[in-house]
Amino acid sequence: GIQVEQSPPDLILQEGANSTLRCNFSDSVNNLQWFHQNPWGQLINLFYIPSGTKQNGRLSATTVATERYSLLYISSSQTTDSGVYFCAVEQADRGSTLGRLYFGRGTQLTVWP
Amino acid sequence: NAGVTQTPKFRILKIGQSMTLQCTQDMNHNYMYWYRQDPGMGLKLIYYSVGAGITDKGEVPNGYNVSRSTTEDFPLRLELAAPSQTSVYFCASSTRKELRFFGPGTRLTVL
Repeated sequence: GIQVEQSPPDLILQEGANSTLRCNFSDSVNNLQWFHQNPWGQLINLFYIPSGTKQNGRLSATTVATERYSLLYISSSQTTDSGVYFCAVEQADRGSTLGRLYFGRGTQLTVWP
Repeated sequence: NAGVTQTPKFRILKIGQSMTLQCTQDMNHNYMYWYRQDPGMGLKLIYYSVGAGITDKGEVPNGYNVSRSTTEDFPLRLELAAPSQTSVYFCASSTRKELRFFGPGTRLTVL
């Protein structure tokens, strides 16, 4: 299956700082999503972004599909941003079936007050 | 809408026991999924379904079974539990491409 690598594995920030999380993938994709898992384990969909740029408040994401990477930007971080950020991709159709998302191992973000 | 609900929240099994993890969604989504998450790892797809009566294997289906008799329900069956199945299990549903709705998870320990 497709390989998904996220960096950095861990990130510690002071409140108010900005950060960039990266997701590299090994093959063409037709779906890429970013998720946040909060410290209580709840998974929240942040972006559906197979290509291009999207913004939602302090968060934005960019996917450059031709170069096989995606970036998640968090600006003016808050303690509530803490948790694990996952990138997940679906390999472009090579007989693969819709909905088979492959997850990276995540970036553990800790924001201190 | 309750969204995606899972029961139980926690369970401890002995090796060799069986159990069913329940998942229900009330959003009329055709696509439903079961994932497992091991400590420090991302989610791995166990099984998924694109509609009632249709299921297919994901990355790690061994030791599990599913059925989808209704749009709302997608139970996951563990037969002959093994310590390797100790994990957190998430059910999810979506309309199609974008996976948006996850259940709260079931934490399973096999001793």
